[in-house]
Amino acid sequence: QSALTQPPSASGSPGQSVTISCTGTSNDVGGYNYVSWYQQHPGKAPKFMIYEVSKRPSGVPDRFSGSKSGNTASLTVSGLQAEDEADYYCSSYAGSNNFELVFGGGTKLTVL
Amino acid sequence: EVQLVESGGGLVQPGGSLRLSCAASGFTFTTYSMNWVRQAPGKGLEWVSYISRSSSTKYYADSVKGRFTISRDNAKNSLYLQMNSLRDEDTAVYYCARDFNSGYEFDYWGQGTLVTVSS
Repeated sequence: QSALTQPPSASGSPGQSVTISCTGTSNDVGGYNYVSWYQQHPGKAPKFMIYEVSKRPSGVPDRFSGSKSGNTASLTVSGLQAEDEADYYCSSYAGSNNFELVFGGGTKLTVL
Repeated sequence: EVQLVESGGGLVQPGGSLRLSCAASGFTFTTYSMNWVRQAPGKGLEWVSYISRSSSTKYYADSVKGRFTISRDNAKNSLYLQMNSLRDEDTAVYYCARDFNSGYEFDYWGQGTLVTVSS
């Protein structure tokens, strides 16, 4: 069982927006602004999409945005495109007493 | 171009050992902390271990603490993971991943190497 909870699946039609949630606790998501998101296509390595809750690394389209409220972080993909179909994983720092990084179980995003 | 290339995976019996390597190129290896992250077949990602630029600081997930050892050779631009007392549940693709900035995010990942623990 993953430390962070994500819905197993999400879907939307091309051009629409979809939001994926990532729920943790005050010991991880709620306690630190170190939430990141990764995109993974089948058989490929994960790709860095969002860091520190809402910042985009260079090269990531602004269609991808992140936010956080309390113990829940969210990734929103606007203007869905076919190539956005992938698995998405959230991650958070969780180390109050010792260093720990935790991931969500992943969400399969389907573009209808 | 940043490249991370893992090697050393394979089939090993429970209780056995394996050493993974990650060859880094396209960036100044000595200026980045590094990590190992694994993914069991059909499952999600799991952080395994972290090592600082100078190897002075190392962290491990509870699931591997005492069995796995992370190390690096900055002269060879290489990262390693020594895995001992392997268990069935260690079966996974192991990725090396470069630390982005603070130690909590990974901006570049290798393609992974598969470790299968089975009798």
